Amino acid sequence: ETVMTQSPTSLSTSIGERVTLNCKASQSVGIDVDWFQQTPGQSPKLLIYGASNRHTGVPDRFTGSGFGRDFTLTISNMEAEDLAVYYCLQYGSNPWTFGGGTKLELK
Amino acid sequence: EVQILETGGGLVKPGGSLRLSCATSGFNFNDYLMNWVRQAPGKGLEWVGQIRNKNYNYATYYAESLEGRVTISRDDSKSSVYLQVSSLRAEDTAIYYCTRSYYYYDGTYYYVMDAWGQGVSVTVSS
Repeated sequence: ETVMTQSPTSLSTSIGERVTLNCKASQSVGIDVDWFQQTPGQSPKLLIYGASNRHTGVPDRFTGSGFGRDFTLTISNMEAEDLAVYYCLQYGSNPWTFGGGTKLELK
Repeated sequence: EVQILETGGGLVKPGGSLRLSCATSGFNFNDYLMNWVRQAPGKGLEWVGQIRNKNYNYATYYAESLEGRVTISRDDSKSSVYLQVSSLRAEDTAIYYCTRSYYYYDGTYYYVMDAWGQGVSVTVSS
């Protein structure tokens, strides 16, 4: 199976900062990566599909990029509501697999 | 409005089995691939498996960690999908989410997992 490794596992950030989250696949998955946001007590929400396509209603401060094995989710101007755990998911090969997540916290 | 509602959770003894149901409404169920995703307490997301729609011959795929213990089925007439897990262990304790995915083409193919249920809690304990 394709193992997705997210880094860092947690990140302390400030409001207004630019934040970069990483996801690395153990083998190439093309652009077959989604990104999800999960706030405490809530179900995950889709942010990005196909590595770089923003889902309907997602603010443009969220940007996804990458191809092959290396993927990035960037939040350009951190807001308080962005404090959450972020997960990548690869669907390039079965079984689909999630990364372990990155938790964004306030400094 | 898209609605996805999981039911059937609760306390189950080790070695037992569970059957979760996921009832949906507000969209054409027949067009969608359906997934189960779980989350152990304080842990990350784990994709459990998927059942595709009629266009893909209802093909099923499962996580390697659960292969042999899990079965996903669907009833298009009821817009519902089901998850059966046998030989339950403490490690199966989790919130189980039902999600939908669709196959999207705009010159490039994507799978888009765009809707999740609220999840149902399963505890495996004696």
